[in-house]
Amino acid sequence: GQQVMQIPQYQHVQEGEDFTTYCNSSTTLSNIQWYKQRPGGHPVFLIQLVKSGEVKKQKRLTFQFGEAKKNSSLHITATQTTDVGTYFCAGNNQAGTALIFGKGTTLSVSS
Amino acid sequence: DGGITQSPKYLFRKEGQNVTLSCEQNLNHDAMYWYRQDPGQGLRLIYYSQIVNDFQKGDIAEGYSVSREKKESFPLTVTSAQKNPTAFYLCASSRAGILLTDTQYFGPGTRLTVL
Repeated sequence: GQQVMQIPQYQHVQEGEDFTTYCNSSTTLSNIQWYKQRPGGHPVFLIQLVKSGEVKKQKRLTFQFGEAKKNSSLHITATQTTDVGTYFCAGNNQAGTALIFGKGTTLSVSS
Repeated sequence: DGGITQSPKYLFRKEGQNVTLSCEQNLNHDAMYWYRQDPGQGLRLIYYSQIVNDFQKGDIAEGYSVSREKKESFPLTVTSAQKNPTAFYLCASSRAGILLTDTQYFGPGTRLTVL
Protein backbone atom coordinates (compact mmCIF):
# COMPACT_ATOMS: atom_id res chain seq x y z
CA GLY A 1 0.00 0.00 0.00
CA GLN A 2 0.88 3.63 -0.17
CA GLN A 3 3.58 4.69 2.24
CA VAL A 4 5.12 7.88 3.49
CA MET A 5 8.67 7.25 4.66
CA GLN A 6 10.65 9.56 6.89
CA ILE A 7 14.37 9.55 7.64
CA PRO A 8 16.17 9.60 9.90
CA GLN A 9 14.11 8.12 12.72
CA TYR A 10 16.26 9.84 15.35
CA GLN A 11 18.74 12.70 15.21
CA HIS A 12 20.82 14.22 17.96
CA VAL A 13 22.58 17.53 17.41
CA GLN A 14 24.50 20.07 19.41
CA GLU A 15 22.75 23.37 19.88
CA GLY A 16 23.59 25.64 16.95
CA GLU A 17 23.99 22.81 14.42
CA ASP A 18 21.62 22.40 11.51
CA PHE A 19 19.06 19.59 11.17
CA THR A 20 17.21 18.10 8.22
CA THR A 21 14.48 15.49 8.00
CA TYR A 22 13.34 13.94 4.74
CA CYS A 23 9.98 12.61 3.68
CA ASN A 24 9.38 10.34 0.68
CA SER A 25 6.14 9.04 -0.76
CA SER A 26 5.63 6.03 -2.98
CA THR A 27 3.06 8.02 -4.97
CA THR A 28 2.57 11.60 -6.11
CA LEU A 29 0.99 13.81 -3.46
CA SER A 30 -1.41 16.67 -3.97
CA ASN A 31 0.00 18.36 -0.89
CA ILE A 32 2.20 17.65 2.09
CA GLN A 33 1.82 18.81 5.66
CA TRP A 34 4.31 19.02 8.50
CA TYR A 35 3.53 18.68 12.19
CA LYS A 36 5.61 18.99 15.35
CA GLN A 37 5.01 17.03 18.54
CA ARG A 38 6.83 18.18 21.66
CA PRO A 39 7.72 15.48 24.23
CA GLY A 40 4.57 14.54 26.12
CA GLY A 41 2.45 16.70 23.82
CA HIS A 42 0.30 16.32 20.76
CA PRO A 43 1.04 17.03 17.08
CA VAL A 44 0.68 20.64 16.06
CA PHE A 45 0.33 21.76 12.45
CA LEU A 46 3.32 23.68 11.10
CA ILE A 47 2.76 24.16 7.39
CA GLN A 48 1.26 22.84 4.18
CA LEU A 49 2.99 22.76 0.79
CA VAL A 50 0.95 22.42 -2.38
CA LYS A 51 2.95 23.46 -5.43
CA SER A 52 5.71 21.52 -7.13
CA GLY A 53 9.11 22.84 -6.04
CA GLU A 54 7.54 25.05 -3.39
CA VAL A 55 9.77 26.45 -0.64
CA LYS A 56 8.40 28.07 2.49
CA LYS A 57 10.21 29.53 5.47
CA GLN A 58 9.18 30.03 9.06
CA LYS A 59 12.02 31.80 10.87
CA ARG A 60 14.76 29.15 11.12
CA LEU A 61 12.64 26.42 9.49
CA THR A 62 12.71 25.85 5.72
CA PHE A 63 10.24 23.49 4.07
CA GLN A 64 10.59 22.17 0.53
CA PHE A 65 8.28 20.19 -1.73
CA GLY A 66 9.98 18.25 -4.49
CA GLU A 67 9.50 18.93 -8.17
CA ALA A 68 7.81 15.56 -8.66
CA LYS A 69 5.68 16.10 -5.54
CA LYS A 70 6.86 12.81 -4.07
CA ASN A 71 9.30 14.10 -1.49
CA SER A 72 9.72 16.90 0.98
CA SER A 73 12.21 18.13 3.53
CA LEU A 74 12.30 20.22 6.67
CA HIS A 75 15.54 22.01 7.47
CA ILE A 76 16.22 23.79 10.75
CA THR A 77 19.10 26.25 10.84
CA ALA A 78 21.04 26.71 14.08
CA THR A 79 18.95 24.45 16.25
CA GLN A 80 17.83 25.53 19.69
CA THR A 81 16.67 23.45 22.64
CA THR A 82 13.13 24.59 21.89
CA ASP A 83 13.28 22.65 18.61
CA VAL A 84 13.27 19.34 20.49
CA GLY A 85 10.42 17.04 19.50
CA THR A 86 9.18 14.72 16.79
CA TYR A 87 8.53 16.10 13.33
CA PHE A 88 5.95 14.34 11.18
CA CYS A 89 5.19 14.75 7.52
CA ALA A 90 1.76 13.76 6.21
CA GLY A 91 0.59 13.24 2.66
CA ASN A 92 -2.75 12.38 1.15
CA ASN A 93 -3.58 8.87 0.02
CA GLN A 94 -4.31 8.21 -3.65
CA ALA A 95 -8.05 8.49 -3.20
CA GLY A 96 -7.64 11.78 -1.39
CA THR A 97 -9.65 10.45 1.50
CA ALA A 98 -7.06 10.39 4.26
CA LEU A 99 -3.76 11.78 5.42
CA ILE A 100 -0.96 9.26 5.78
CA PHE A 101 1.56 10.18 8.41
CA GLY A 102 5.20 9.29 8.29
CA LYS A 103 6.68 7.67 11.41
CA GLY A 104 8.39 10.90 12.35
CA THR A 105 11.90 12.09 13.08
CA THR A 106 12.70 12.66 16.73
CA LEU A 107 15.15 15.49 17.28
CA SER A 108 17.13 15.92 20.46
CA VAL A 109 19.36 18.93 21.09
CA SER A 110 22.08 19.24 23.67
CA SER A 111 23.34 22.58 24.88
CA ASP B 1 -11.64 29.17 23.96
CA GLY B 2 -11.84 26.91 20.92
CA GLY B 3 -10.18 23.56 20.61
CA ILE B 4 -10.33 19.84 21.12
CA THR B 5 -10.53 18.27 24.52
CA GLN B 6 -9.84 14.69 25.45
CA SER B 7 -10.45 13.16 28.80
CA PRO B 8 -9.03 11.75 30.87
CA LYS B 9 -5.33 12.41 30.26
CA TYR B 10 -4.32 9.13 31.89
CA LEU B 11 -6.49 6.04 32.12
CA PHE B 12 -5.86 2.68 33.71
CA ARG B 13 -8.00 -0.37 33.10
CA LYS B 14 -7.88 -4.05 33.86
CA GLU B 15 -7.50 -6.50 31.03
CA GLY B 16 -10.85 -7.62 29.64
CA GLN B 17 -12.69 -4.38 30.38
CA ASN B 18 -14.09 -2.09 27.74
CA VAL B 19 -13.15 1.57 28.10
CA THR B 20 -14.45 4.69 26.37
CA LEU B 21 -12.26 7.68 25.58
CA SER B 22 -13.88 11.06 25.22
CA CYS B 23 -13.23 13.59 22.45
CA GLU B 24 -15.06 16.91 22.15
CA GLN B 25 -14.45 19.82 19.77
CA ASN B 26 -15.96 23.28 19.58
CA LEU B 27 -14.29 24.25 16.31
CA ASN B 28 -17.40 23.45 14.28
CA HIS B 29 -15.37 20.96 12.28
CA ASP B 30 -17.14 18.35 10.20
CA ALA B 31 -14.46 15.65 10.25
CA MET B 32 -13.06 13.89 13.29
CA TYR B 33 -10.42 11.20 13.64
CA TRP B 34 -8.92 8.78 16.13
CA TYR B 35 -5.27 7.81 15.98
CA ARG B 36 -3.17 5.47 18.01
CA GLN B 37 0.47 6.30 18.68
CA ASP B 38 3.04 3.73 19.79
CA PRO B 39 6.77 4.43 20.19
CA GLY B 40 8.48 4.42 16.81
CA GLN B 41 5.21 3.76 14.96
CA GLY B 42 4.01 7.24 14.18
CA LEU B 43 0.27 7.86 13.96
CA ARG B 44 -2.03 5.08 12.87
CA LEU B 45 -5.63 5.82 11.93
CA ILE B 46 -8.28 3.87 13.84
CA TYR B 47 -11.56 5.45 12.71
CA TYR B 48 -12.72 8.64 11.09
CA SER B 49 -15.99 10.44 10.61
CA GLN B 50 -16.82 12.92 7.88
CA ILE B 51 -20.26 13.81 9.12
CA VAL B 52 -22.66 13.17 11.96
CA ASN B 53 -24.04 9.62 12.11
CA ASP B 54 -21.40 8.32 9.73
CA PHE B 55 -17.93 6.89 10.30
CA GLN B 56 -15.40 4.74 8.50
CA LYS B 57 -12.74 2.26 9.55
CA GLY B 58 -9.14 3.30 9.35
CA ASP B 59 -6.08 1.10 9.11
CA ILE B 60 -6.33 -0.54 12.55
CA ALA B 61 -10.04 -0.57 13.47
CA GLU B 62 -10.17 -4.11 14.88
CA GLY B 63 -11.04 -4.12 18.58
CA TYR B 64 -12.33 -0.53 18.53
CA SER B 65 -15.73 1.08 18.05
CA VAL B 66 -16.92 4.68 17.67
CA SER B 67 -20.09 6.73 17.43
CA ARG B 68 -20.85 10.17 16.01
CA GLU B 69 -24.23 11.20 17.34
CA LYS B 70 -23.27 14.86 17.64
CA LYS B 71 -20.99 17.03 15.52
CA GLU B 72 -18.96 18.00 18.58
CA SER B 73 -18.35 14.53 19.95
CA PHE B 74 -16.57 11.41 18.70
CA PRO B 75 -16.03 8.90 21.53
CA LEU B 76 -13.82 5.86 21.04
CA THR B 77 -14.44 2.56 22.82
CA VAL B 78 -11.51 0.23 23.26
CA THR B 79 -13.03 -3.21 23.59
CA SER B 80 -11.67 -6.33 25.22
CA ALA B 81 -11.09 -7.69 21.69
CA GLN B 82 -8.21 -5.26 21.17
CA LYS B 83 -5.11 -7.41 21.71
CA ASN B 84 -2.69 -4.72 22.77
CA PRO B 85 -4.64 -1.65 23.90
CA THR B 86 -1.93 0.11 25.91
CA ALA B 87 -1.04 3.19 23.85
CA PHE B 88 -1.38 6.94 23.47
CA TYR B 89 -4.68 7.83 21.78
CA LEU B 90 -5.06 11.07 19.85
CA CYS B 91 -8.27 12.60 18.61
CA ALA B 92 -8.19 15.15 15.79
CA SER B 93 -10.59 17.20 13.73
CA SER B 94 -10.52 19.03 10.44
CA ARG B 95 -12.77 21.63 8.91
CA ALA B 96 -14.11 20.02 5.77
CA GLY B 97 -15.87 16.70 5.89
CA ILE B 98 -15.27 15.91 2.24
CA LEU B 99 -11.68 17.09 1.97
CA LEU B 100 -10.11 14.69 4.41
CA THR B 101 -6.64 15.93 3.59
CA ASP B 102 -7.31 19.26 5.27
CA THR B 103 -5.19 20.45 8.20
CA GLN B 104 -5.84 18.43 11.33
CA TYR B 105 -6.09 19.83 14.84
CA PHE B 106 -5.19 17.42 17.60
CA GLY B 107 -6.41 17.07 21.14
CA PRO B 108 -3.99 16.59 24.06
CA GLY B 109 -4.36 12.81 23.96
CA THR B 110 -5.26 10.06 26.42
CA ARG B 111 -2.62 7.64 27.61
CA LEU B 112 -4.31 4.30 28.21
CA THR B 113 -2.62 1.61 30.23
CA VAL B 114 -4.19 -1.81 30.51
CA LEU B 115 -2.95 -3.80 33.47
